[in-house]
Amino acid sequence: AQSVSQHNHHVILSEAASLELGCNYSYGGTVNLFWYVQYPGQHLQLLLKYFSGDPLVKGIKGFEAEFIKSKFSFNLRKPSVQWSDTAEYFCAVIITGGGNKLTFGTGTQLKVEL
Amino acid sequence: DSGVTQTPKHLITATGQRVTLRCSPRSGDLSVYWYQQSLDQGLQFLIQYYNGEERAKGNILERFSAQQFPDLHSELNLSSLELGDSALYFCASSVFGTSTFNEQFFGPGTRLTVL
Repeated sequence: AQSVSQHNHHVILSEAASLELGCNYSYGGTVNLFWYVQYPGQHLQLLLKYFSGDPLVKGIKGFEAEFIKSKFSFNLRKPSVQWSDTAEYFCAVIITGGGNKLTFGTGTQLKVEL
Repeated sequence: DSGVTQTPKHLITATGQRVTLRCSPRSGDLSVYWYQQSLDQGLQFLIQYYNGEERAKGNILERFSAQQFPDLHSELNLSSLELGDSALYFCASSVFGTSTFNEQFFGPGTRLTVL
């Protein structure tokens, strides 16, 4: 079965620091990739998605992610984080042709300090 | 606001009881998904319905069942509840049932506490 690994469980950064959250998936076929964010007490919101084409995708709030097929990775980046980015971030994958269920990673709790 | 609504927001019940969680998808979405978020299991896919029919099943216990009604709202029924069923239950919806360019929008969740 496919799985998604997020290497960092807790990350603490100061405002204006750069962010990179790792995500790797284990599946050799075609996948759709997602990053979701969950702000405290709120529902999951889509940050960005990759279906095909340019492997560098830009999302909302200045986030971007790069799909590297050879490394089975889809890392999330932001050049300069803000206090309001404090949230939990989930990487997720859908296997093309395998229905539409999202398989999520374990999440990364990001805390941005002033 | 994603357009997906879930009721109730919070539910506190006792072991052995049965509860029903309700989800209304975004207008125009035909597919509904249920996910469970717990501290030990993380976010897990439970089940998907598309236009009233079951489309995919994940790690859903036999004590749990779901259905999607003609008006496309969905209900998740949890019975013989155990302490370990305490979790946040999310509903999501999408236009289609397949994965092609198909974004899922999540509701605010129902927090279930089993005492």
